[in-house]
Amino acid sequence: EVQLVQSGAEVKKSGESLKISCKASGYSFTNYWIAWVRQMPGKGLESMGIIYPSDSDARYSPSFQGQVTFSADESINTAYLQWSSLKASDTATYYCARLFYDSSGHYMCDYWGQGTLVTVSS
Amino acid sequence: DIQLTQSPSFLSASVGDRVTITCRASQDISNYLAWYQQKSGKAPKLLIYAASSLQRGVPSRFSGSGSGREFTLTISSLQPEDFATYYCQHLETYPPKSTFGQGTKLEIK
Repeated sequence: EVQLVQSGAEVKKSGESLKISCKASGYSFTNYWIAWVRQMPGKGLESMGIIYPSDSDARYSPSFQGQVTFSADESINTAYLQWSSLKASDTATYYCARLFYDSSGHYMCDYWGQGTLVTVSS
Repeated sequence: DIQLTQSPSFLSASVGDRVTITCRASQDISNYLAWYQQKSGKAPKLLIYAASSLQRGVPSRFSGSGSGREFTLTISSLQPEDFATYYCQHLETYPPKSTFGQGTKLEIK
């Protein structure tokens, strides 16, 4: 069974660093892109970017370039999202999702983590 | 960058109703569109991919159509568990970067 299990909720202060995780199981971790998605309180879904765990090829959406860093450790089937200096505006729920590629050439987010709530106080 | 605009943003309907949500792309995206359902406090769930392909396990009352710039998600007969927020998503071919629509909240009338 495919599962993505994310790390627990975090409460941090502005300026602190943070790394949250997304542990994959039930499939070959290195063969699928992982997407990161932000959802601010009461708002919609925003694509942050993607990472390919096999070679850590990371692509960032323009709004998130330089603001966050994606990484992956294939030895423990885990993807990470990190901040070096949090801001209050980073308060949100963050989801990881597996990107499945079907035979017709379409990608889709077929499995999702349960989400990690990050609360940043100023 | 491609923008996706959903309409309406809010929709009030009754159990048994047929509802349609529209997603319009700022340029031709062929059929590279997916639909998701998100219930409060939960992760999104894939309903439709490639504009009209039903994800395994999703009830057949859900259907998707469209290509190019205009797409629709239709629920043929609303069930109580369908009240949620729905998002469209464009995923590029390579690399698979994506864009979401702003969402449509479906509420009970």
